[in-house]
Amino acid sequence: EAQVTQNPRYLITVTGKKLTVTCSQNMNHEYMSWYRQDPGLGLRQIYYSMNVEVTDKGDVPEGYKVSRKEKRNFPLILESPSPNQTSLYFCASSYDQDLGTDTQYFGPGTRLTVL
Amino acid sequence: AQTVTQSQPEMSVQEAETVTLSCTYDTSESNYYLFWYKQPPSRQMILVIRQEAYKQQNATENRFSVNFQKAAKSFSLKISDSQLGDTAMYFCAFMKARRGAQKLVFGQGTRLTINP
Repeated sequence: EAQVTQNPRYLITVTGKKLTVTCSQNMNHEYMSWYRQDPGLGLRQIYYSMNVEVTDKGDVPEGYKVSRKEKRNFPLILESPSPNQTSLYFCASSYDQDLGTDTQYFGPGTRLTVL
Repeated sequence: AQTVTQSQPEMSVQEAETVTLSCTYDTSESNYYLFWYKQPPSRQMILVIRQEAYKQQNATENRFSVNFQKAAKSFSLKISDSQLGDTAMYFCAFMKARRGAQKLVFGQGTRLTINP
């Protein structure tokens, strides 16, 4: 089954304790990205990657890191989480548009609470 | 920068009625895509419908259709014969039609409730 998976689905942590949210897709997609969803703000892009070893900042990158060592995986790293990073996080993936499809597939979301 | 605005934070209709969700956007791009996503209580983001800006014909997917007004930069979603399962948060989103520019810019969302 074609899908984007995220782990964990729920996480409660404390300020300053490093954490990683994993994202994996099995569709051989080139493009992957992370979004955060906050009430009244919709979803905003944090980071994206156009291919292996190619990453760039989105609209709200402060406090986050990413890596793309393999095509299928795109982990989101919070080196020192703070309460303002409490949010719902989504990973998404898609083909490059040159291949004819641009629909983004979303993971199930990760609810993060930083105390 | 592109912006997407959904002016209706919440809407509520009776089952089987027709409801229209509004969305306006701002861009200087000539070619782009517009989307409506549905987010039910499960939080999963589900693509409802998409529209290519170069196409004049409005997209339709079963009970879902859009009214795309390019000059007015308006992209509303009409749900016909609404069902209880349509209860969800709905997001309008914009994406440039350029290689490597696959960022979705989302509106604030409209919470739609279908009442029995």
